[in-house]
Amino acid sequence: EDQVTQSPEALRLQEGESSSLNCSYTVSGLRGLFWYRQDPGKGPEFLFTLYSAGEEKEKERLKATLTKKESFLHITAPKPEDSATYLCALDNYGQNFVFGPGTRLSVLP
Amino acid sequence: NAGVMQNPRHLVRRRGQEARLRCSPMKGHSHVYWYRQLPEEGLKFMVYLQKENIIDESGMPKERFSAEFPKEGPSILRIQQVVRGDSAAYFCASSPDLGETQYFGPGTRLLVL
Repeated sequence: EDQVTQSPEALRLQEGESSSLNCSYTVSGLRGLFWYRQDPGKGPEFLFTLYSAGEEKEKERLKATLTKKESFLHITAPKPEDSATYLCALDNYGQNFVFGPGTRLSVLP
Repeated sequence: NAGVMQNPRHLVRRRGQEARLRCSPMKGHSHVYWYRQLPEEGLKFMVYLQKENIIDESGMPKERFSAEFPKEGPSILRIQQVVRGDSAAYFCASSPDLGETQYFGPGTRLLVL
């Protein structure tokens, strides 16, 4: 069965303290890997799509990378407004996305 | 371009009542997905629909739950005879085609008393 795991489960950073979130997966086939951000009480907000190993995407303080077994979401010099739950999801050529459990990020001022 | 719209945003039902959740996809999107999220848990796939067709309902309980996406109007997720365990946030997503980015609505938070 295809699986997606994310680590750490929760992460607390000081403002400006860079770090990375991990998304590991076991899948028979990968069409795409997606990163979303979810704020409390809201729906997931799309961030990035990665399709092949070695691919990188950047947006403001966020950079997503992809290897054959995992993806990283790097956060450079985070700000308190970056606090959210970050979800990764994979498209395994099925009919739906398989979501990981998420990483809860808190950035303290 | 308006995003995915869901209503109601909050819904309170007593055990045994029916819940109807509505989802209007983004303009130009004909693929709709429903997910359920329990507190502190990830999103779990329920059902995938295209206009007038249910494509995959493997994640949806076989009893009490049904979904439709008519030719005209929003997609509807219907839960009959709700129980307390149905309390959750229900999210709808849409995409222009299978395999493309799914865009999510704000969700409907169902509370069963």
